[in-house]
Amino acid sequence: EDQVTQSPEALRLQEGESSSLNCSYTVSGLRGLFWYRQDPGKGPEFLFTLYSAGEEKEKERLKATLTKKESFLHITAPKPEDSATYLCAVQAGQTGANNLFFGTGTRLTVIP
Amino acid sequence: NAGVMQNPRHLVRRRGQEARLRCSPMKGHSHVYWYRQLPEEGLKFMVYLQKENIIDESGMPKERFSAEFPKEGPSILRIQQVVRGDSAAYFCASSPQGSGNTIYFGEGSWLTVV
Repeated sequence: EDQVTQSPEALRLQEGESSSLNCSYTVSGLRGLFWYRQDPGKGPEFLFTLYSAGEEKEKERLKATLTKKESFLHITAPKPEDSATYLCAVQAGQTGANNLFFGTGTRLTVIP
Repeated sequence: NAGVMQNPRHLVRRRGQEARLRCSPMKGHSHVYWYRQLPEEGLKFMVYLQKENIIDESGMPKERFSAEFPKEGPSILRIQQVVRGDSAAYFCASSPQGSGNTIYFGEGSWLTVV
C-alpha cells in the first residue's frame, strides 16, 4: 500500500534559522513527487515537482531534493512569511492514474 | 490567467439537505480532481474526471456522493442527504492533459453541516 510520511509534524524556527522538512514514501512506481504550501483557510499552492532520484529544484529560500526513498524541503534563512503547512504528495502507479497521495504535512512556524 | 475557481467558498447545510459544490478548472486544463480535507487530517483523493467521463472514483464514498464534469460548464460535486461527518473542506484541482503534469488547486469550499 502506498504510504507518505512527513516529519516533523510541527516545527518552530527563529527567523534566519535554517532547517529541513522530510517526506518519506513507499509507493509502487513513483511518477512524481510534489511539494505544496498551504496557508490556513486556503488551498494548496504548488511549489515543486521532482521526477527522479538526484533531482533538485530551488525557489527563493526553498530547495527540494529527492532520493529513492525520501524528499527533503530545505528552508534557508526563513522569514515569518514562510510560516505555513508544507504538504508532500506522490503520483504513482500506472500511467493515467493521475491523482496525488498526500502526507499529513509539516506545520512550520517562523518566529520573528 | 485565472486559477481554479470554486464556489461557494462557504456553505452551511442542515442534516438531510443537499450540497452542490462547483469547480471551473484553469484555462486549458481538461482534467479535474476533487479532494476532501477533514479537520486535522490530510487531503484525501475522491474522484478524477475528464470532460463527460469519470476516470477514477476510487476515493468516493459509495453512497450519497456523485461528481460530474459536463461538456459545458463547471464540474459539480454533489452530496445528497448530508450528515455531520461530511463537514470538511472540499478542494478542486485541475491539470492539463497527460500524466505527470502539475495539479493546481482551488481555494476550497468549506461545508458545514448543522
